[in-house]
Amino acid sequence: ILNVEQSPQSLHVQEGDSTNFTCSFPSSNFYALHWYRWETAKSPEALFVMTLNGDEKKKGRISATLNTKEGYSYLYIKGSQPEDSATYLCAFMTAGNKLTFGGGTRVLVKP
Amino acid sequence: SQTIHQWPATLVQPVGSPLSLECTVEGTSNPNLYWYRQAAGRGLQLLFYSVGIGQISSEVPQNLSASRPQDRQFILSSKKLLLSDSGFYLCAGTPGNTEAFFGQGTRLTVV
Repeated sequence: ILNVEQSPQSLHVQEGDSTNFTCSFPSSNFYALHWYRWETAKSPEALFVMTLNGDEKKKGRISATLNTKEGYSYLYIKGSQPEDSATYLCAFMTAGNKLTFGGGTRVLVKP
Repeated sequence: SQTIHQWPATLVQPVGSPLSLECTVEGTSNPNLYWYRQAAGRGLQLLFYSVGIGQISSEVPQNLSASRPQDRQFILSSKKLLLSDSGFYLCAGTPGNTEAFFGQGTRLTVV
């Protein structure tokens, strides 16, 4: 069983503050690292798919970096807004197309 | 765009009864397909994945099974449900090395 770990499990952020959190994954058999945003009662929404070491991707106020050699990725939210409140999931895909999710980081942005 | 139809949305079943959850895919051919379960307060645990018709990889030994009788059909089954099978079941697919798409999920309560 692959270990994909996310930390912290939850965090509270004041509106307007920036925050970041981590996904760690095995450094072997890497194919891609995914990030999703998941709101209660909805399907997860794709944010990024990253494949290359050193990749950096950005979507609005959210960005992500990838280090495949040491097995970690960071997700950043700049200037957090209440609508950013959600669970953020990372998922590790192997060359054999096995897609394993981390436990998620639950973000609550306080107005 | 790719979509997954997953049903039912909610299900209450007695202990010892059988289970059959089905998802069907539209908008792509030969996707990788996945079944996940989220127990209360936990992340998405990978149960089964399939890279093609009749090809099933099992991740967690349990009383569940999966089948892929057609390219765009993925079925999760159990002959006898346990209380511990309660949870949120999510079907997902990837067309390749791109972001995953998801069904709406099934909330299963075993009583």
